[in-house]
Amino acid sequence: DVKVTQSSRYLVKRTGEKVFLECVQDMDHENMFWYRQDPGLGLRLIYFSYDVKMKEKGDIPEGYSVSREKKERFSLILESASTNQTSMYLCASSPRGVPTDTQYFGPGTRLTVL
Amino acid sequence: GNSVTQMEGPVTLSEEAFLTINCTYTATGYPSLFWYVQYPGEGLQLLLKATKADDKGSNKGFEATYRKETTSFHLEKGSVQVSDSAVYFCALHSGNTGKLIFGQGTTLQVKP
Repeated sequence: DVKVTQSSRYLVKRTGEKVFLECVQDMDHENMFWYRQDPGLGLRLIYFSYDVKMKEKGDIPEGYSVSREKKERFSLILESASTNQTSMYLCASSPRGVPTDTQYFGPGTRLTVL
Repeated sequence: GNSVTQMEGPVTLSEEAFLTINCTYTATGYPSLFWYVQYPGEGLQLLLKATKADDKGSNKGFEATYRKETTSFHLEKGSVQVSDSAVYFCALHSGNTGKLIFGQGTTLQVKP
């Protein structure tokens, strides 16, 4: 079974802190994604990566950056956390090349910024 | 641009009731369509998918048919169980980058 793990289930940070959210997948997938999930808004794509050291902006990249130094790991960085970044963050991965392929999701990190 | 619209929730049903969750989409071309489910405290997992018009996806008693003429992909189940209580997301695949566009999610609560 594909496994996508995220470093924390719950995280509490203060405004202005730098925050790192880590995601690791064990299926050698090329594509990795970061979403945020908010009530009534569904999932919105923040960034995605289709290869090591490659990254593409999603629909809401402002205030975020990402890093992909190794194929299995995709990190989301909040350079200076703000209260409007309080949300559930979901990481996903999928194999490249087959558009119909499923995305596999991690359990999510619920981030609270005080 | 591409978009997905789901019916507003929450939906509350009694056990063994019939379920329909409406999903309509706007897209160019012929996107693949998905239903994902999120059980309490968990990430999303694929429930079913359809890749072309008139395809029917099915899994765990759930079904959805890709209707190009009405741009819809409604989720149905004949008899829901308490264990089906979850948030359901309709999504479409956008282009060839693997990106998914999600609807806002519909919360289903099934009471015994």
